[in-house]
Amino acid sequence: QVQLQESGPGLVKPSETLSLTCTVSGYSIGSGYYWGWIRQPPGKGLEWIGSLYHSGTTFYKSSLKSRVTMSVDTSQNQFSLELTSVTAADTAVYYCARHSSGYLAWFDPWGQGILVTASS
Amino acid sequence: NVLTQSPGTLSLSPGERATLSCRASQSVISSYLAWYQQKPGQAPRLLIYGVSGRATGIPDRFSGTGSGTDFTLTISRLEPEDSAVYYCQEYGSTPITFGQGTRLEVK
Repeated sequence: QVQLQESGPGLVKPSETLSLTCTVSGYSIGSGYYWGWIRQPPGKGLEWIGSLYHSGTTFYKSSLKSRVTMSVDTSQNQFSLELTSVTAADTAVYYCARHSSGYLAWFDPWGQGILVTASS
Repeated sequence: NVLTQSPGTLSLSPGERATLSCRASQSVISSYLAWYQQKPGQAPRLLIYGVSGRATGIPDRFSGTGSGTDFTLTISRLEPEDSAVYYCQEYGSTPITFGQGTRLEVK
């Protein structure tokens, strides 16, 4: 059974960098599938941030592309998200998830999510 | 592709049928549309993929239909545990997009 778990600071100061890691268990990232990050501001809907493959291929939402970097560490079976120059608008629950196949695919399963607040 | 869900909120009684709509601003490629259920404090849970395919463990009370720009999630024989927010997702191209959600209350 594949499980994902997000980790990282729950509080980030404005203008600083948000860094999160998703640890995968029950499946080896290097074996395939695309992996994604999705966020949800409090009380609002879901926003896709981007997706990546174990080879390093990435796809980012264009409006976030200048601030986003995603990477994978197959030795740790983890993938990561960095979002620079955060503002209050980046406050959200951040989820990691696995694409079913390819990057044009639904997400299943999801991590439990981690709330990140951008505040001084 | 902008996805617009309606209604915003739906209040029904146990045993009734819920019909949730998801309308896309452009035709969805190759039936690349999914539905998720999200309960408070939980991650979204996949219900439907490819317009009408039920995810593993999802009861047949949940069904998806549609094509082109108009899609529907139908939940029959409603149970109180079906109370949640439901999101549609289009994944035929990037950016992958989600609808704004429909809140379903069953009581």
